[in-house]
Amino acid sequence: NAGVMQNPRHLVRRRGQEARLRCSPMKGHSHVYWYRQLPEEGLKFMVYLQKENIIDESGMPKERFSAEFPKEGPSILRIQQVVRGDSAAYFCASSSGTGYDEQYFGPGTRLTVT
Amino acid sequence: GDSVTQMEGPVTLSEEACLTINCTYTATGYPSLFWYVQYPGEGLQLLLKATKADDKGSNKGFEATYRKETTSFHLEKGSVQVSDSAVYFCALSGSSNTGKLIFGQGTTLQVKP
Repeated sequence: NAGVMQNPRHLVRRRGQEARLRCSPMKGHSHVYWYRQLPEEGLKFMVYLQKENIIDESGMPKERFSAEFPKEGPSILRIQQVVRGDSAAYFCASSSGTGYDEQYFGPGTRLTVT
Repeated sequence: GDSVTQMEGPVTLSEEACLTINCTYTATGYPSLFWYVQYPGEGLQLLLKATKADDKGSNKGFEATYRKETTSFHLEKGSVQVSDSAVYFCALSGSSNTGKLIFGQGTTLQVKP
């Protein structure tokens, strides 16, 4: 039973380029969460999605960031016109439900903006 | 809003020493509480959890008790090993009932042989 898959593991982008981060949840999981970990900090919630729906995007920056979780395929976190401050580790987690259900984390994508 | 505060690290211990990492929280309602562990270069793994007051979560020799009266969820282990060296995160499942996790800033543990 494969765990949560994220790719790429490392991504380097120049300022102004776009970054696309992919997350495939565990089999049978229909809930996906994205978190960002800035250097020397804890994880901060960004967005929570179910298939084809954004449920809570209260942690997403208002501009340049978007997320989707289509009916087929992985969840995508998209960052347009990246800036150096976007450099961070981005983690995806999936669960089979909400509330008390355990979230299983992927290995993360480490984005470096040069 | 909901928040989690952990003791600052790094914490450096000798093998077989006792460990306590303090965690306190602020939340409305009755959150679930978690400890996650992150090994270098990896994602987070759930270490233990507690879903209601006075519950004790335990795993791999680690334990933590959900104390509503002191709003705390301190992580303890009686005898640490070198392999326990990692970053430990306390988290709560907030009052929004979407399941999103609110994390503390993390505590780095280094265990020396």
